[in-house]
Amino acid sequence: GQQVMQIPQYQHVQEGEDFTTYCNSSTTLSNIQWYKQRPGGHPVFLIQLVKSGEVKKQKRLTFQFGEAKKNSSLHITATQTTDVGTYFCAPDTGTASKLTFGTGTRLQVTL
Amino acid sequence: EPEVTQTPSHQVTQMGQEVILRCVPISNHLYFYWYRQILGQKVEFLVSFYNNEISEKSEIFDDQFSVERPDGSNFTLKIRSTKLEDSAMYFCASSEGARVQYFGPGTRLTVT
Repeated sequence: GQQVMQIPQYQHVQEGEDFTTYCNSSTTLSNIQWYKQRPGGHPVFLIQLVKSGEVKKQKRLTFQFGEAKKNSSLHITATQTTDVGTYFCAPDTGTASKLTFGTGTRLQVTL
Repeated sequence: EPEVTQTPSHQVTQMGQEVILRCVPISNHLYFYWYRQILGQKVEFLVSFYNNEISEKSEIFDDQFSVERPDGSNFTLKIRSTKLEDSAMYFCASSEGARVQYFGPGTRLTVT
């Protein structure tokens, strides 16, 4: 089955520092979604990437889909304490039925 | 803004008991899902439901699990005979069809 790994598992940064999480798939993806889960909360949709090499920005967040559509990244510029949470990628292999979540990267931001 | 709701927020049950977790998906959505998350782990897919039938299920979703849409608004997950390892957060999600899924706040199930 599809293997989706995210690195790092955990990152602790000081407020103002940048942060990047990487998502790697063993298979080619039709699209990829990113979700954020705050501590004690539920996954919240952030963005969907569809095209090879696509780059999308949401304020301080930059999402990228690899040229080969096997990997993706999320970069946060100048982190804030509100960025704390676990970021999951959720690749879509083409079936409409489910999301296969990555292993997640837990981000901790301190002042 | 419409949202998925789930009840109860926390359910404690004894091993071997049946539990029913309830969800009200967003009203115009057609696809419904259940996921679970064991504490500290990733979110795992259980089952998807469309047009009044299961469209896909994972290996976790064995004969002890069932889903139902008993009326036009509710979507339920039943676990017939709970085991200790069923303790987890259970999330319901719904989507309009474009694969972007909206998650409910979850039900924390504790099996003792």
